[in-house]
Amino acid sequence: DAGITQSPRHKVTETGTPVTLRCHQTENHRYMYWYRQDPGHGLRLIHYSYGVKDTDKGEVSDGYSVSRSKTEDFLLTLESATSSQTSVYFCAISERSGGSNEQYFGPGTRLTVT
Amino acid sequence: AQSVAQPEDQVNVAEGNPLTVKCTYSVSGNPYLFWYVQYPNRGLQFLLKYITGDNLVKGSYGFEAEFNKSQTSFHLKKPSALVSDSALYFCAGRRGLDAGNMLTFGGGTRLMVKP
Repeated sequence: DAGITQSPRHKVTETGTPVTLRCHQTENHRYMYWYRQDPGHGLRLIHYSYGVKDTDKGEVSDGYSVSRSKTEDFLLTLESATSSQTSVYFCAISERSGGSNEQYFGPGTRLTVT
Repeated sequence: AQSVAQPEDQVNVAEGNPLTVKCTYSVSGNPYLFWYVQYPNRGLQFLLKYITGDNLVKGSYGFEAEFNKSQTSFHLKKPSALVSDSALYFCAGRRGLDAGNMLTFGGGTRLMVKP
């Protein structure tokens, strides 16, 4: 999985609690992304980062925040988890923007909100 | 807005037969198109991409894809399917000059190859 780790790999949490997911890369790639995967929807972009402290919203950003204090780490936070945020979350990285650069994905975090 | 569609939720094929997984796109300008594969409990793995040039693109594990601009399609193909090809396949696309490298994914197609 291209030098990308995600933690935790599985988490069960209760509605209303805060949750933070971590993505760590060893590739020194500039761009990092958080996606959620739900049946029938493919992957949908939540937030992305184009450098340390530089982040922007994706397609489904409501209820999520991100932070990137180091090149290698990208954190996704659910401030107050809801059942609709039960999903599998994937982190991805890419070396450059534009051009033909493919993204490389981590192994995923399965989050269940009860 | 750009979109990518995979019209089939599942494709069944017998081992040794050719397979096709369909993808159509709606992307303004010159599209960059990608295929990814996902095995159970794993992240997505890059298979191949179309950027420009030859409409037939060859990728990993014997897969290839044909870009058809007039039909706005980018179907994934393999001449002879293996049971180990059984997985979830995603088509993705974006505008060629998209500085943020935002990918739009199709909903995925599950490929089942039976012995």
